[in-house]
Amino acid sequence: DSGVTQTPKHLITATGQRVTLRCSPRSGDLSVYWYQQSLDQGLQFLIQYYNGEERAKGNILERFSAQQFPDLHSELNLSSLELGDSALYFCASSVERTSTDTQYFGPGTRLTVL
Amino acid sequence: AQKITQTQPGMFVQEKEAVTLDCTYDTSDQSYGLFWYKQPSSGEMIFLIYQGSYDEQNATEGRYSLNFQKARKSANLVISASQLGDSAMYFCAMREGHQAGTALIFGKGTTLSVSS
Repeated sequence: DSGVTQTPKHLITATGQRVTLRCSPRSGDLSVYWYQQSLDQGLQFLIQYYNGEERAKGNILERFSAQQFPDLHSELNLSSLELGDSALYFCASSVERTSTDTQYFGPGTRLTVL
Repeated sequence: AQKITQTQPGMFVQEKEAVTLDCTYDTSDQSYGLFWYKQPSSGEMIFLIYQGSYDEQNATEGRYSLNFQKARKSANLVISASQLGDSAMYFCAMREGHQAGTALIFGKGTTLSVSS
C-alpha cells in the first residue's frame, strides 16, 4: 500500500458525460501528479499541483482540468468524454524534500467510456 | 525524440534465475533521476528502485539492482532469484533535471513472465 488513495476504482460512463476522479496523497506529501495510461499512448503525465498551486502541465486536453484543495486532496475533472478517453488514470504524490523525490502511485481509476 | 527506450516487449525467465530488463535514456541534463516501477496485473504501480545521475554506486534494493552505465545512458534492472510473483509489467522512468518535483517520463514497459 503506497498510502495514496484514489476513488473510484472503476468508472463506466457514456460519451459526452463529465466525471471527477479523486486523489488523496500520502500524509505529508505536498505534490500531486496525474498520469494517464492507455494502450496506444502508454503512461503520460497530465498535470501537477504543489500545495494547492498548479506547477506543471503535460499532455492534458483542454476538456480536462484539475485542482488541489487546502487539505491537499486533488480532483481531476474530465468533460465531454470521448471513447479515446478510456484509460487508467493514476495519481502520484511526492514529498519533494529529498533528492530522490520518489513518486508513489495510487491504485488508479479505470475509466471506461461507452 | 523518445526519452526512455525499453526494447524488450516481453521477457521469459524460470523461477530462481536472474533476469535483466533493459532501459536506455536520452537527456542533455547532467542531473537526473532514474526509476523502475512494477505494474502487476492488478494495475497498481509499485516503486522498486532509484538511481541518481551522480550516484557513484549502483542502486540495490533487496533482489533488485540497477546496472547504471552513464556513458552508455543505460539503466538496466536486474532481478535476482526470480519468483512467480515477479510476473508483471516493468517500467523504466526518468526525472530530468536536479529539481525535485518534476514529472516522470516513462518507457513503454517490458512484460516479465516467470515460470516454475
